[in-house]
Amino acid sequence: DAGVIQSPRHEVTEMGQEVTLRCKPISGHDYLFWYRQTMMRGLELLIYFNNNVPIDDSGMPEDRFSAKMPNASFSTLKIQPSEPRDSAVYFCASSLRQGNSGANVLTFGAGSRLTVL
Amino acid sequence: AQSVAQPEDQVNVAEGNPLTVKCTYSVSGNPYLFWYVQYPNRGLQFLLKYITGDNLVKGSYGFEAEFNKSQTSFHLKKPSALVSDSALYFCAVRAPRVTGGGNKLTFGTGTQLKVEL
Repeated sequence: DAGVIQSPRHEVTEMGQEVTLRCKPISGHDYLFWYRQTMMRGLELLIYFNNNVPIDDSGMPEDRFSAKMPNASFSTLKIQPSEPRDSAVYFCASSLRQGNSGANVLTFGAGSRLTVL
Repeated sequence: AQSVAQPEDQVNVAEGNPLTVKCTYSVSGNPYLFWYVQYPNRGLQFLLKYITGDNLVKGSYGFEAEFNKSQTSFHLKKPSALVSDSALYFCAVRAPRVTGGGNKLTFGTGTQLKVEL
C-alpha cells in the first residue's frame, strides 16, 4: 500500500487566491482527518469524515475553509480566499475503526506545505 | 474537553542513556492514549497506544510508555537512546465512545528529542 497520498507537497500562492489540497486515503479505511500544523498552534484537527460523511467540522477556522469527500478514495480541503495566516502544513490522515473500542490508529500523509504571500 | 500537556519543548539526551518524554492528559472517562513521532518533512508515525490492561505499553523501535491513572500521565521512555531517535514526539488522547468522545484525537504541542553522541 502506498499509504496516504497528499498533493501538492508544496504550494506557494498569493493572498486572495483559491487553494485546493488533495488527499487519497488508504484503501479500506473508513475515517479521514484533516489536520493543520503551525509553530504557534501545534497540530489542530480541522475536520473528520466517517464513511465519506463529515462528522465534526468544529475545527474549521472560518467559512473560507471547506472540505469534501465525494467518495471513499478522495478528499479535498479548499481555502477561498487564502490569507497569509493560513500558511501551515496541512496533513491528511486515515484510519480503520478497530473493534468496539474504536481505538483507531491514524496513518498520516507527508503533508502539504502551504505558503500564502 | 480533552487536552494533552507536554511540558518540555525539548529534551536532550546522550546516546546510550535512558530517555523520558513527559505527557499528562485530561479527559472524561478512561482515556485512549497514543504516542506519535514526526521526522523532518514527514507526517506523524504511530509509535504505541494504551487502551486498557497492562499499564506498561511496548511499541515500535524499543519505545515504551507507562500509563499512570492517579497522575494522569503517559510518559514515553526508552532504556537506551540512539541518535536516530532524534525527532519530534507527540502525545495524543481521545475519550472513549461511550462518553461521547467521537473519534477526535487531541495532540499535545510536541517535544523535540535531541540525542547526541
